[in-house]
Amino acid sequence: DQQVKQNSPSLSVQEGRISILNCDYTNSMFDYFLWYKKYPAEGPTFLISISSIKDKNEDGRFTVFLNKSAKHLSLHIVPSQPGDSAVYFCAALKKGGSEKLVFGKGTKLTVNP
Amino acid sequence: DAGVIQSPRHEVTEMGQEVTLRCKPISGHDYLFWYRQTMMRGLELLIYFNNNVPIDDSGMPEDRFSAKMPNASFSTLKIQPSEPRDSAVYFCASSRDVYNEQFFGPGTRLTVL
Repeated sequence: DQQVKQNSPSLSVQEGRISILNCDYTNSMFDYFLWYKKYPAEGPTFLISISSIKDKNEDGRFTVFLNKSAKHLSLHIVPSQPGDSAVYFCAALKKGGSEKLVFGKGTKLTVNP
Repeated sequence: DAGVIQSPRHEVTEMGQEVTLRCKPISGHDYLFWYRQTMMRGLELLIYFNNNVPIDDSGMPEDRFSAKMPNASFSTLKIQPSEPRDSAVYFCASSRDVYNEQFFGPGTRLTVL
């Protein structure tokens, strides 16, 4: 049973436009969420996180939105750049729980020049 | 710091052979994680250590898999005997604590023929 789902395996956007990557989760006990970015032949790298006490966290071009009632979070990249082309993983954690990050399967973002 | 170091980067072996993957975490990080990435299952946690002690190995698929962390700067993941379905990319990651970002190594691509 997948607790963290990224239903879009891929997304293609034009340079300069907004990229929106979505993530749904089923476990209401999750209270900390992270996004990782992965380039080919490299390990994932941390991008941005959000605690369940917030509904938005912003870091430069990257903003993560959390909708707890819908058990949904999204990552917005504005403006998108060709260097943003990568696989993006959503991950969730239950603080005070098992300490294990649960990852989604990832969304491959392609930003076209 | 050089980041998380994994070796080898690529491993091709024949079914039935023993495979040992190695990881050197970032100095000062108390947590070490082993992940496996496949197309079917995405990125899944196999086992993690806190201060060299295995905390949760519930993700280890079978008894053929074992992991050790003899000291704070070294960990191994061993598969014996290996099978073709073990073919995947194996990542090691480390972090200061479980609620901080995890830093991933470049991964070991394992192919079992």
